[in-house]
Amino acid sequence: DTGVSQDPRHKITKRGQNVTFRCDPISEHNRLYWYRQTLGQGPEFLTYFQNEAQLEKSRLLSDRFSAERPKGSFSTLEIQRTEQGDSAMYLCASSEGPGANVLTFGAGSRLTVL
Amino acid sequence: GIQVEQSPPDLILQEGANSTLRCNFSDSVNNLQWFHQNPWGQLINLFYIPSGTKQNGRLSATTVATERYSLLYISSSQTTDSGVYFCAVVGDDKIIFGKGTRLHILP
Repeated sequence: DTGVSQDPRHKITKRGQNVTFRCDPISEHNRLYWYRQTLGQGPEFLTYFQNEAQLEKSRLLSDRFSAERPKGSFSTLEIQRTEQGDSAMYLCASSEGPGANVLTFGAGSRLTVL
Repeated sequence: GIQVEQSPPDLILQEGANSTLRCNFSDSVNNLQWFHQNPWGQLINLFYIPSGTKQNGRLSATTVATERYSLLYISSSQTTDSGVYFCAVVGDDKIIFGKGTRLHILP
């Protein structure tokens, strides 16, 4: 197992376009988290999954954002009609589950919206 | 929700110096982790430390859950220790990060 993988590592897009990020967690990790990090700030919670169920969504996650985790394995985070304010690093992490919340992060997907 | 405050926000030290980074949190937490974010943005787990003291080489951490703080100690710092150190706490199943301490070690 090579840890948490994220793809793409970098994405440059024009305002108004849709983008999708993928996260492959550590195998058998039941929990998967998405965070967003802007320059000079700590990671901000967006949403998390327990297997395929999305358990919580931050108010930061506007209706332009959607996340899925079909079959409880990999997850995708889609941003529709991107805005310049969406430019950030999108981080994915996984953990074994409740009571074992040691997070392991991927390398992140950096989004630049022109 | 839980508030996490880290101090100092910035720290510049000469190579070989020791440092102490602090994390205060506003409510009872189930767990706490310290991370180092390298210059490429990768968050590396340093310690999973809900309470007590752990050591790993030149790094050690202590969490006093009853007093709602944790400390990260770096001894004999090296230039490769530079980067941002984050504390993250778990309360009510949500993991909240502080704003980090930016550490710059001068050669």
